[in-house]
Amino acid sequence: GESVGLHLPTLSVQEGDNSIINCAYSNSASDYFIWYKQESGKGPQFIIDIRSNMDKRQGQRVTVLLNKTVKHLSLQIAATQPGDSAVYFCAENREAGFQKLVFGTGTRLLVSP
Amino acid sequence: SAVISQKPSRDICQRGTSLTIQCQVDSQVTMMFWYRQQPGQSLTLIATANQGSEATYESGFVIDKFPISRPNLTFSTLTVSNMSPEDSSIYLCSAGQGEGYEQYFGPGTRLTVT
Repeated sequence: GESVGLHLPTLSVQEGDNSIINCAYSNSASDYFIWYKQESGKGPQFIIDIRSNMDKRQGQRVTVLLNKTVKHLSLQIAATQPGDSAVYFCAENREAGFQKLVFGTGTRLLVSP
Repeated sequence: SAVISQKPSRDICQRGTSLTIQCQVDSQVTMMFWYRQQPGQSLTLIATANQGSEATYESGFVIDKFPISRPNLTFSTLTVSNMSPEDSSIYLCSAGQGEGYEQYFGPGTRLTVT
């Protein structure tokens, strides 16, 4: 499976810093990727997506970068705020034409004031 | 984006019983999905709920254990049957709309089996 148990990788940053969360995906045929934010006790919240024919996409304070050569995805959060503290998941759509997402293991982001 | 609600939000059930979880979307959506999330872990897709036809299950999940209904384009149910403590988990419903494959999630149902 995709999980690694209770010990999620953790990224600790100071408020105002830029955060970079990384994700390695496994299927070179994956055509679509999504980043989700999950706060404790809540469902995943859609942040930003990117198609495989793009390298970069920007949203409000967030940027997703896709490197298909090394099958790597990253989420950059500018001017990180305490409200950004959560677990972040990347998800890949492995079957073109089907909406079947496979989730990564997740990264916990801790933002200190 | 779609707004998704789930009922119940949590439940404690006895071994051997069954629980049906409801998922309601505030707009018509093409596809609905059910996921399981063990505490502190990632999400695993259980099945795709198809309107008007049988659900499509992922490897490791079977209809007898997780029967799913999708009577219309805004509603689905997942039943966890003959529960054991290993079924204790968070069950999440999601809905896909638009050609961008976005999926939006409900708040989840936290199930504890004793």
